[in-house]
Parts: sequence; C-alpha cells; structure tokens
Amino acid sequence: DTGVSQNPRHKITKRGQNVTFRCDPISEHNRLYWYRQTLGQGPEFLTYFQNEAQLEKSRLLSDRFSAERPKGSFSTLEIQRTEQGDSAMYLCASSPDRRVGNSPLHFGNGTRLTVT
Amino acid sequence: QKEVEQNSGPLSVPEGAIASLNCTYSDRGSQSFFWYRQYSGKSPELIMFIYSNGDKEDGRFTAQLNKASQYVSLLIRDSQPSDSATYLCAVTYGGTSYGKLTFGQGTILTVHP
Repeated sequence: DTGVSQNPRHKITKRGQNVTFRCDPISEHNRLYWYRQTLGQGPEFLTYFQNEAQLEKSRLLSDRFSAERPKGSFSTLEIQRTEQGDSAMYLCASSPDRRVGNSPLHFGNGTRLTVT
Repeated sequence: QKEVEQNSGPLSVPEGAIASLNCTYSDRGSQSFFWYRQYSGKSPELIMFIYSNGDKEDGRFTAQLNKASQYVSLLIRDSQPSDSATYLCAVTYGGTSYGKLTFGQGTILTVHP
C-alpha cells in the first residue's frame, strides 16, 4: 500500500487524557499536512511540514496541540489534556514539494477522536 | 480573511441529470483550485484541479474557473447514484503557503434513481 497511512483509525478517550496520532505519508512526498474536520464542515488546516521542518501552524492550534516529524518521514500529532471540543476527524495528507500550486494533497483515512 | 464559500445544499438531482456545484473565493491571489469528493465517514479524494481560466474536462466532470469573478464550479454530467457524496472546493494561495489547501464547507449531493 503506497497511500497515506494513519493510526489509529478510532480513538475514544476521557476528557483530560493525552492522545497521540501517527501519520505515514507517501514515501516520496516531502510535505505533510494535518487537518481537522468536524461534522458538516470542510477540513480545517492545523499545521504542515516540509521534510522535518514545521513551517506553519494555524492560529486555531492551541498550546495543547503539538506535532512532530523528526526524520522527515512519519509524523505524530499529540493533544494534551483533551477537551470535548477536540472531538473530530484528524486527517493527514502529503504532497510532493513542487513550487507550483497544483500539487494535490493525498489524504489518509483519518483518525476519528471522541472525547467523553 | 481568506475564505472559500460553497453553494448551500443539499443538492438533489435525478439520475442522468447534470449536477452543478459552485464555489467562490475571496483572495485574488489564489493560484490553484481543487475539487474533492468525500463519502460519508471517508477521507477526501481528489476529483480535479484547475489553475487556468476556462474549462477543464475529465470524463463526466468539468471544472470551470473564472478568476475575474473569483468563481469556480464543477459540473457532473450523467449523474449516477454513486456520485452521491459531499463535494469540497479547495484553494491554494501563493507565497510560503503554496500547497496548503483552504477548504469550503462542502456541498452534499444526492443523486436519486
């Protein structure tokens, strides 16, 4: 399978707990993106990496959220002290690093987080 | 504020008809435009992208872009029940954020037999 892989597929946690998600991008893709999607809305940008460098973070991303891509390959997204409002689908996507705006994002299947 | 707005749905069309999905964007610096399809509970999958004014056709799908009007649309000809999904319009901007997509809220399409 050469697509974007995300684990776990589903995560149920209690409020206040920490959770970590993993994303393995398509191997030749330099760019990796994290999005969040709630019911009835389009995906909302969280952050992205070019290789191991985190280039941009959304202002919507609180200090409880942190993302890493230590070797420029897989990435992790951690949410500390989860809140019920964090319940959403967390989507990872990757793309080649082309300085032309038509590099489409390839999405993984997402991790659905439910905070109880 | 960079925004992408899609026509409110849901949109319901009979099988075999043409479905028309519309999207407007606020930033004239927008460079490329994408249409994604998302089935319920699944992740978005790319249908088409367009970056030049005019039409781009791929099978039953046609994307239309009018940068002067800041408008992009997707036409689905000979609609099938399997086309029933949420359609997401997305835009990329220039500068250091190239490649990052800003999505609209999506339009739900239902094709009924």
